[in-house]
Amino acid sequence: EAGVAQSPRYKIIEKRQSVAFWCNPISGHATLYWYQQILGQGPKLLIQFQNNGVVDDSQLPKDRFSAERLKGVDSTLKIQPAKLEDSAVYLCASSLDRTASSPLHFGNGTRLTVT
Amino acid sequence: GEDVEQSLFLSVREGDSSVINCTYTDSSSTYLYWYKQEPGAGLQLLTYIFSNMDMKQDQRLTVLLNKKDKHLSLRIADTQTGDSAIYFCAGSGGSQGNLIFGKGTKLSVKP
Repeated sequence: EAGVAQSPRYKIIEKRQSVAFWCNPISGHATLYWYQQILGQGPKLLIQFQNNGVVDDSQLPKDRFSAERLKGVDSTLKIQPAKLEDSAVYLCASSLDRTASSPLHFGNGTRLTVT
Repeated sequence: GEDVEQSLFLSVREGDSSVINCTYTDSSSTYLYWYKQEPGAGLQLLTYIFSNMDMKQDQRLTVLLNKKDKHLSLRIADTQTGDSAIYFCAGSGGSQGNLIFGKGTKLSVKP
């Protein structure tokens, strides 16, 4: 079974620039998550999709972050404009469904550095 | 909301057992998870335990759950250098199935 794919692996941008990350979840997984992991901390949920609908985006800074999952499969996360504090690893995860018994499977993440 | 606490560092000698501890606040977490993160990689699911269980064993891994004290531990028997990584405890405290993570425990294994 192929895992969760993310690209790019690394990205360096200057503050105020924009950036986009891409995620392809495990085939058949209805639920997709974007997490932000700042150095030295645990991952923090940004947004959760069920198929192509948003379930939870309460922690997403909507003035600069946006995400979509148009066809219920791949997803993109965008930051515009970026700030220095957005430097982090952005992790995509997927699960079969939203039940607590359905483990999350993570991709390797995109490491963003904002200078 | 859910809050998950872990000690930040643990150092053991190769061959010894490692015990990583975690406390959580939300008693409604139906599942509790342990993930492993190696440098530059995503999180790898190690094991998980249902909240009505006290213990789960999976090869070298033993998970103990004390629901009364909201305490979870992960024991790694015969720890190897390849076990060096950051270990995250997570609770399914989110109502929509998402996970709430602790800050992670960095395990260093000395030869």
